[in-house]
Amino acid sequence: KQEVTQIPAALSVPEGENLVLNCSFTDSAIYNLQWFRQDPGKGLTSLLLIQSSQREQTSGRLNASLDKSSGRSTLYIAASQPGDSATYLCAVILGGSQGNLIFGKGTKLSVKP
Amino acid sequence: DAGVIQSPRHEVTEMGQEVTLRCKPISGHDYLFWYRQTMMRGLELLIYFNNNVPIDDSGMPEDRFSAKMPNASFSTLKIQPSEPRDSAVYFCASRRQVDTGELFFGEGSRLTVL
Repeated sequence: KQEVTQIPAALSVPEGENLVLNCSFTDSAIYNLQWFRQDPGKGLTSLLLIQSSQREQTSGRLNASLDKSSGRSTLYIAASQPGDSATYLCAVILGGSQGNLIFGKGTKLSVKP
Repeated sequence: DAGVIQSPRHEVTEMGQEVTLRCKPISGHDYLFWYRQTMMRGLELLIYFNNNVPIDDSGMPEDRFSAKMPNASFSTLKIQPSEPRDSAVYFCASRRQVDTGELFFGEGSRLTVL
């Protein structure tokens, strides 16, 4: 059974710091991996999606990497800002394009001014 | 496109009452998912549909929960009778079968059962 783990569960950093969020999964046969952001009381917003054949994706200050063989992904946030404060979740799709997403429990990030 | 639309955004009801949550997926999306989110258990998949057909309902907690998708633009999740432990945020999400499979979420329905 696929399990997705995110460490740490919570992280607090000062503004301007570069940081890394971690995601690990137990079954390397994934179709893709997606990182989401969730603000309090809101739905999930897709940040980055990495196809299983890709190694990384970038969007602005965000960079996500994928190492299928080791079952790991990282989300790198450069020059963090208070507006980055949110919960970040990763999810993997199994079983090809027909599959379901399995979510981690997220990392709650707080960026202090 | 307006995105995934859910209603109601908030629902407060008493134990034993029937609750119906509604979802309109993004037009052209083949898959529709219902998730439940709680502090203790995180995001849990309840059921998902492909082309209006239920594919996996193994996450539905018990017979009190049912979901339907009568057409490509509408789905309901019903709880009857509701219990306090059903209190959670229920999310609907949709995606296309082809391309990258990127998943798009609605804003959620926050259910409180007293």
